[in-house]
This record gives sequence, C-alpha cells and structure tokens, in this order.
Amino acid sequence: AQKITQTQPGMFVQEKEAVTLDCTYDTSDPSYGLFWYKQPSSGEMIFLIYQGSYDQQNATEGRYSLNFQKARKSANLVISASQLGDSAMYFCAMREGDGGSQGNLIFGKGTKLSVKP
Amino acid sequence: DVKVTQSSRYLVKRTGEKVFLECVQDMDHENMFWYRQDPGLGLRLIYFSYDVKMKEKGDIPEGYSVSREKKERFSLILESASTNQTSMYLCASSLAGGRTEAFFGQGTRLTVV
Repeated sequence: AQKITQTQPGMFVQEKEAVTLDCTYDTSDPSYGLFWYKQPSSGEMIFLIYQGSYDQQNATEGRYSLNFQKARKSANLVISASQLGDSAMYFCAMREGDGGSQGNLIFGKGTKLSVKP
Repeated sequence: DVKVTQSSRYLVKRTGEKVFLECVQDMDHENMFWYRQDPGLGLRLIYFSYDVKMKEKGDIPEGYSVSREKKERFSLILESASTNQTSMYLCASSLAGGRTEAFFGQGTRLTVV
C-alpha cells in the first residue's frame, strides 16, 4: 500500500501568489515525521521543512509552512509569495518510528511546480 | 557542511555486468539509504542501513544487494545489470532518530546498454 500520496503531478502558480502542494500519508505508528524536499532541475535534493507527529504547532520555515492535519493524515506544503526559483519538483516523505531499524524514509511521487512570471 | 558523495555522476554499463555504486558520508550518520528515481514514480527505496552490517529491504530490492562494512560507506551492487535498471540512483544519509532529515548525494545516472 502506498504510504505517501501526492495527487498533483503538476501545478502552475503565478509569481507572488501562494500555492499549496498536497500530501497525504498512511501509518499506524503514533510516532512519525513528515518531510518536504525540493528538487530543482539541477537534481540536488534540498530539505525544506519537517513536522513531527507530536508537534503541537504547524511547522514554518521562511516562506514555507506545513498545514498539518493529523486526523486527516495530511501534511500539505504551503509556499507563500512564489518566486521563479521555486519552480522544481517537490517531494513529501515520511519516517516512521523513532529510529533504529524503523528509520527508513519513504517518498511520494512528487509534484512538479511551475511558477509563471 | 554534511557531505554525501557518490562515486560517479554518470555511468554506462553493459547488460550482465556487475555494477558497484559507492556512497560515502562524512558526518558519522548511522542511517544510509539507496533510492532509485524514475520519472512519474518519485524516489523508491531500494535498501536502508541503520548501522554497520545492518540492512533492511526497501520497496524494490529485487536485483540489488548492498554492503556496509564501514559506517561511512554504503555500496549498492547490481549483480547482473539489466536494461530495466537504467535510472538515477540517489544515496542519502541521516542521523538515527525520527526527527532528522536526510542529506543526499548528487546522484548517479546509470545507463545499462
């Protein structure tokens, strides 16, 4: 069963507008972490933001925020004030458990974001 | 800065060859990962290692094996390369514990002809 689902293969957003990239996940482990990565056309994977399952507040990092709805098992990434440099693939990922043999990191299929000038 | 280095950026191998992809990290991370990335399929986990000589199969281990004899090095082995293993391979490492992000290498584009 797919553990991370990103339903938007591609999205367009106008420069300076906000955009939400969807991510839903599936786990029965009460302890887990959710991550978002950006992959520009150059290919490197850039970590953006993290949300822990026990965190009380939604994570924020600059223009990135995570809309975490635990009951719905969703962890959507919100990018405010989009810039041309935000055009990239975006991946949602999950790590279950607290480490050790459970520490594998599973990714979704990604969303390609294109920012229009 | 954390550095994860993959031995080759581009590699071309023949069908049936044994292929070694090497990955080295310099931050004493316990966890290391091998992923394959294909268009439309995202990153799929091949193998994960959480300690020296310890490994766990990921979602697509068939046709691959791994070796972790030293903490800093994690090798992916294609015992007999096939054309359907043509792909981008990404190595990553992280500290143990659920809260820590993974750091990625630059990737190896493998073509099997």
